[in-house]
Amino acid sequence: DAGVIQSPRHEVTEMGQEVTLRCKPISGHDYLFWYRQTMMRGLELLIYFNNNVPIDDSGMPEDRFSAKMPNASFSTLKIQPSEPRDSAVYFCASSIQGAGGYTFGSGTRLTVV
Amino acid sequence: SQQGEEDPQALSIQEGENATMNCSYKTSINNLQWYRQNSGRGLVHLILIRSNEREKHSGRLRVTLDTSKKSSSLLITASRAADTASYFCATDAGSNDYKLSFGAGTTVTVRA
Repeated sequence: DAGVIQSPRHEVTEMGQEVTLRCKPISGHDYLFWYRQTMMRGLELLIYFNNNVPIDDSGMPEDRFSAKMPNASFSTLKIQPSEPRDSAVYFCASSIQGAGGYTFGSGTRLTVV
Repeated sequence: SQQGEEDPQALSIQEGENATMNCSYKTSINNLQWYRQNSGRGLVHLILIRSNEREKHSGRLRVTLDTSKKSSSLLITASRAADTASYFCATDAGSNDYKLSFGAGTTVTVRA
């Protein structure tokens, strides 16, 4: 298995633009998580899905952020409009309930200028 | 919000020495996990210890858990330069809540 695949690896965009981050979880994993990592706030859970259904989105910063999981093999995190304070590394992770730890993707480094 | 807090924030040791880092958490858990993150990379799961376990080993890693003190420790024995990374503890929220909260991490530097 190729692991959790995220794209793009790097994204530089201008303030106000829409940004879409993509994630392909490991086949067979029924949980998918989106995290954001910054120096100031560390790793923050944004939202997670179980069997493609959003379970907890309490970590989504505001209405500018939205996430979808249309099927078991694909999820997106969208920021519209983007702001400089959204600059961070965004990680996607997947897991199987009760089977142990998460498998993280390599992350998307987002820079909003 | 961060439930786990690691101590120390940073650690520098000589190759071959042992590295110990600690994690404290606030609320009841089902399990506690440790992850490693190399610079510029994603997190890698190292080990999971359940709330009814007190100690667990995996290769050169030894994890302890004291639920009465709400604390855990990670020991890396005979460290290598490749162990240079940040180490994070992560806890679930107990009950049926499966999401993990991560601490701020301990940055370990192993000098050759």
